[in-house]
Amino acid sequence: NAGVIQTPRHKVTGKGQEATLWCEPISGHSAVFWYRQTIVQGLEFLTYFRNQAPIDDSGMPKERFSAQMPNQSHSTLKIQSTQPQDSAVYLCASSLALRQNTLYFGAGTRLSVL
Amino acid sequence: GDSVIQMQGQVTLSENDFLFINCTYSTTGYPTLFWYVQYSGEGPQLLLQVTTANNKGSSRGFEATYDKGTTSFHLQKTSVQEIDSAVYYCAMRAYTNTGKLTFGDGTVLTVKP
Repeated sequence: NAGVIQTPRHKVTGKGQEATLWCEPISGHSAVFWYRQTIVQGLEFLTYFRNQAPIDDSGMPKERFSAQMPNQSHSTLKIQSTQPQDSAVYLCASSLALRQNTLYFGAGTRLSVL
Repeated sequence: GDSVIQMQGQVTLSENDFLFINCTYSTTGYPTLFWYVQYSGEGPQLLLQVTTANNKGSSRGFEATYDKGTTSFHLQKTSVQEIDSAVYYCAMRAYTNTGKLTFGDGTVLTVKP
């Protein structure tokens, strides 16, 4: 079991460009979560899916950010017109989707917007 | 709303020192409580979790007790080692929520040899 896989590990974009981050959850896990990590804000919840359906996107910025889960083996987080304040580590996690089950995190994608 | 408070942003100890990291939470009902540890260059990983109030969780010498009365879940270790140097996050899954975790701000632990 390779764990949660996130690609790329590092991404550098220019201001105004689009960034797409990929996540492959652990096989058999039906819940996928996205978090953003910064020094100032810590670990912030963005959104999560269960059985590919969006359940809670209360943490997603209303503009420019979108997340999808087209199939059970991957999810994407897309940021349009990236801004320097979007620079962060974006973490994906998966779980078996039961209340007591553990979240398993990937190593994250470090996004740097110049 | 739901929140988790870790007051100590940084803790520096020497090997074999006692570790204590404060964590308090605010929510309705009975949450599930967690401690996650994050090593440099990695994502957070579960250290321990407790679902039932007044129970204790333990792992790798770390312990935390779910105290419903004081709404606390402090992390302790009797004798830290240099390899314990990492960032420690207290987290909570609210009773009403089947998914997301709410994290504290994290505590950077540095253990000097």
